[in-house]
Amino acid sequence: QKEVEQNSGPLSVPEGAIASLNCTYSDRGSQSFFWYRQYSGKSPELIMSIYSNGDKEDGRFTAQLNKASQYVSLLIRDSQPSDSATYLCAPNGGNLIFGKGTKLSVKP
Amino acid sequence: NAGVMQNPRHLVRRRGQEARLRCSPMKGHSHVYWYRQLPEEGLKFMVYLQKENIIDESGMPKERFSAEFPKEGPSILRIQQVVRGDSAAYFCASSPRDSPTGELFFGEGSRLTVL
Repeated sequence: QKEVEQNSGPLSVPEGAIASLNCTYSDRGSQSFFWYRQYSGKSPELIMSIYSNGDKEDGRFTAQLNKASQYVSLLIRDSQPSDSATYLCAPNGGNLIFGKGTKLSVKP
Repeated sequence: NAGVMQNPRHLVRRRGQEARLRCSPMKGHSHVYWYRQLPEEGLKFMVYLQKENIIDESGMPKERFSAEFPKEGPSILRIQQVVRGDSAAYFCASSPRDSPTGELFFGEGSRLTVL
């Protein structure tokens, strides 16, 4: 049974701070990893993908992957109130299984 | 350039009725996924289809639920004899590739309420 674990939160950070979102997964066969953002009442949208161990940066977002530890994270620098959403982790190991998501709240 | 289109956006059914949810993938996409999301819960995979084929239905309840993606027309998720526990948001996503890459494009969802 493939599992994806995320801290459900809510994670509350002040505006301008770094938000750190974490995800662990059980399927060692997973080769690619994705972060989706879902605003309340809306559909998920892809914001980051990472395929290799290490860091991948895209604007204020940095994804970090450690396959040996089966761990992937998302850092959001200079957090903005508009970043307030639920962030879903999705390792790809066949079908796209999502974690339950971490709810992030950025306070002005 | 339309994205993934789902309809109806909102559907109300009484217990025992049937619900039909439709999904038209993005142009050029031939792979469709259905997910269910309960309030305050994560996305739960239900079924993955290609045109005229069910590839993986491991997330589908064994009874009352069925899905199809015909050669022509949208994908349809059908729920027979709905119960209150079926109330949820049902999201459809599509992908252009032969195997799931994670780059799924989601529709706005269909929100089913069972009275």
